[in-house]
Amino acid sequence: AQTVTQSQPEMSVQEAETVTLSCTYDTSESDYYLFWYKQPPSRQMILVIRQEAYKQQNATENRFSVNFQKAAKSFSLKISDSQLGDAAMYFCAYRRFTGNQFYFGTGTSLTVIP
Amino acid sequence: GAVVSQHPSRVICKSGTSVKIECRSLDFQATTMFWYRQFPKQSLMLMATSNEGSKATYEQGVEKDKFLINHASLTLSTLTVTSAHPEDSSFYICSARRHDAPYSPLHFGNGTRLTVT
Repeated sequence: AQTVTQSQPEMSVQEAETVTLSCTYDTSESDYYLFWYKQPPSRQMILVIRQEAYKQQNATENRFSVNFQKAAKSFSLKISDSQLGDAAMYFCAYRRFTGNQFYFGTGTSLTVIP
Repeated sequence: GAVVSQHPSRVICKSGTSVKIECRSLDFQATTMFWYRQFPKQSLMLMATSNEGSKATYEQGVEKDKFLINHASLTLSTLTVTSAHPEDSSFYICSARRHDAPYSPLHFGNGTRLTVT
């Protein structure tokens, strides 16, 4: 089974600063999808950004961007101009190109300091 | 965007009783839905994959007789926790993916906080 590793259980960032959350994964497949989800205190899982493995260009969604390094099997999330509302648990997730199952990392708890 | 509705959001039940949690995809068809369990400050643990019109697929260590899953239509899956015990208290989250969109992410319900007294 694929494994997803988030090595930073907790991170903190000053408001308006930039923070990078790391994620690595293990797979023998060449095509797959990667996702970052955010879970605020409400516990609703919210999609932040997604990346198709066959696309070399890094995905970007407003203040959120990823650094996708396929050879290194790394998929980090960069949050620019951090806001108080960004405080949440962040989960990295992997999905095979074919199939439905998602594999989640253990999460990173992000604190935004005013 | 795709919406998944989960009900109830909170439930308190007595030990020995059964509780049913519903998961509905409101604006898309989902041949497959997923049920997760999440302990405080931990990741999502996949319990089972619910397949429309067929038996659910349970992950290793999950008791299928205790966590009954029914996926009777393309928009509804239910999880019934039977003979609940205090150790079943947890946060349960369902999710679904649009089966007609290969690139589709998982869409999550708001979760159900189950407390067994």
